[in-house]
Amino acid sequence: GAGVSQSPSNKVTEKGKDVELRCDPISGHTALYWYRQSLGQGLEFLIYFQGNSAPDKSGLPSDRFSAERTGGSVSTLTIQRTQQEDSAVYLCASSLYTGTDTQYFGPGTRLTVL
Amino acid sequence: AQSVTQPDIHITVSEGASLELRCNYSYGATPYLFWYVQSPGQGLQLLLKYFSGDTQVQGIKGFEAEFKRSQSSFNLRKPSVHWSDAAEYFCAVGSGGSYIPTFGRGTSLIVHP
Repeated sequence: GAGVSQSPSNKVTEKGKDVELRCDPISGHTALYWYRQSLGQGLEFLIYFQGNSAPDKSGLPSDRFSAERTGGSVSTLTIQRTQQEDSAVYLCASSLYTGTDTQYFGPGTRLTVL
Repeated sequence: AQSVTQPDIHITVSEGASLELRCNYSYGATPYLFWYVQSPGQGLQLLLKYFSGDTQVQGIKGFEAEFKRSQSSFNLRKPSVHWSDAAEYFCAVGSGGSYIPTFGRGTSLIVHP
């Protein structure tokens, strides 16, 4: 059975470039979450999708960050004009329902901005 | 609003010793409580969860936890730690009133041989 997958696993980019991070959730999961984990830090919530809608974008740190989800499945997190402080591991999780349900996490994308 | 506190940033134990990781939550109603483990370079994996019923919860890898409403706690325990248990452990609380679970900052477990 397929779990949550993320690609790429590692991404090195230059400051100022745009990057796209992809998340493939477990089939049938309606909720999808993006988190950021900086070195030695906990999980920072970024954005949450219910189906294709994003009811809560409150965690996005700036307008350089955006995300979309299509077909109730794949999600893409886009960071424009990357900065060095964007360097972190970006984790995606999906769950069957929201809030009260178990989240299943992908392995993450490690982003390094030079 | 719900919140989670993991008071210990690091815990060091010897292999074979018992383990307790602390988690305190703040939420007005009955919470949904989770413990996740993150091995180096990996995503988070669910160890166990509490929704209702028996306050003693058994999880994978020999872990267990107890929900204590009077203390607003959900501490994780293991009777005998193995070197492979060295990892980061996260407590999380969810609720019917919020779509987004709240995670603690994590406790790093170091296991000495």
